Amino acid sequence: EPEVTQTPSHQVTQMGQEVILRCVPISNHLYFYWYRQILGQKVEFLVSFYNNEISEKSEIFDDQFSVERPDGSNFTLKIRSTKLEDSAMYFCASSPSPPPPLHFGNGTRLTVT
Amino acid sequence: RKEVEQDPGPFNVPEGATVAFNCTYSNSASQSFFWYRQDCRKEPKLLMSVYSSGNEDGRFTAQLNRASQYISLLIRDSKLSDSATYLCVVNIAGSSASKIIFGSGTRLSIRP
Repeated sequence: EPEVTQTPSHQVTQMGQEVILRCVPISNHLYFYWYRQILGQKVEFLVSFYNNEISEKSEIFDDQFSVERPDGSNFTLKIRSTKLEDSAMYFCASSPSPPPPLHFGNGTRLTVT
Repeated sequence: RKEVEQDPGPFNVPEGATVAFNCTYSNSASQSFFWYRQDCRKEPKLLMSVYSSGNEDGRFTAQLNRASQYISLLIRDSKLSDSATYLCVVNIAGSSASKIIFGSGTRLSIRP
C-alpha cells in the first residue's frame, strides 16, 4: 500500500536555527498538508497546499513557516529561527482529489534546544 | 467555541463492553466527517468516514446529526487492541475542502 514518507524521523536543532522537514506524499495525491502535535496535545492544522500554492493556513502558520514543493515528489516545511515552543511532532499528510480522507506520514519529531 | 470539541476522557472500560464517544462541531456548513485513531506517539490513522445516513464497519458504528452538529462513534464488543485515542475530524467548509480540523481526542483504555 502506498505510504506518505517523512524524513528525518527525529530532528534536533538549536534555538534560532532553520530546519527543513521533508515529506514524500503518495504519488497520485494532489492535496498536501502539514500538521503538528505538541506532546500530549491535539493535532493542529498548519497548512494545506494544492496546485502549487497554499490553499488554507492556520494562525499558527505565520511568517516563520513556509512550504514548498520543489519537484514532483517532495513537499517541505521550512521553519526559520526555531523557538523552543516549536518542539513537536510534525505530520505530513496527503489526499487524492477531492480530499479527504488524509493519509499521514509517520511524523518528524522536532526538538528545539 | 472550539471548531471541533470532544470529551477528552479517559474512558476505562472492560473488554467486551460497548462504549460511545460524541463530538460536536461549530461550523454548520461543515462538509465531511471522520473518525481517526491515534496510538501513543504514532500518526493518526483513518478509522472510518461518517455518512449522513450513519454507517457501520464491523464493531464500529458512526452517526451524524447535522441538526445538532454532532457525530458519534460506537464501539461494540471492545477489544484490548481498541485502546487508543479517538480523534473526531471535520472538513471545515468555505474552501476547496482543504482545511481539515482535528478534535483534541478521546482516550480509551480497555482493561482485561
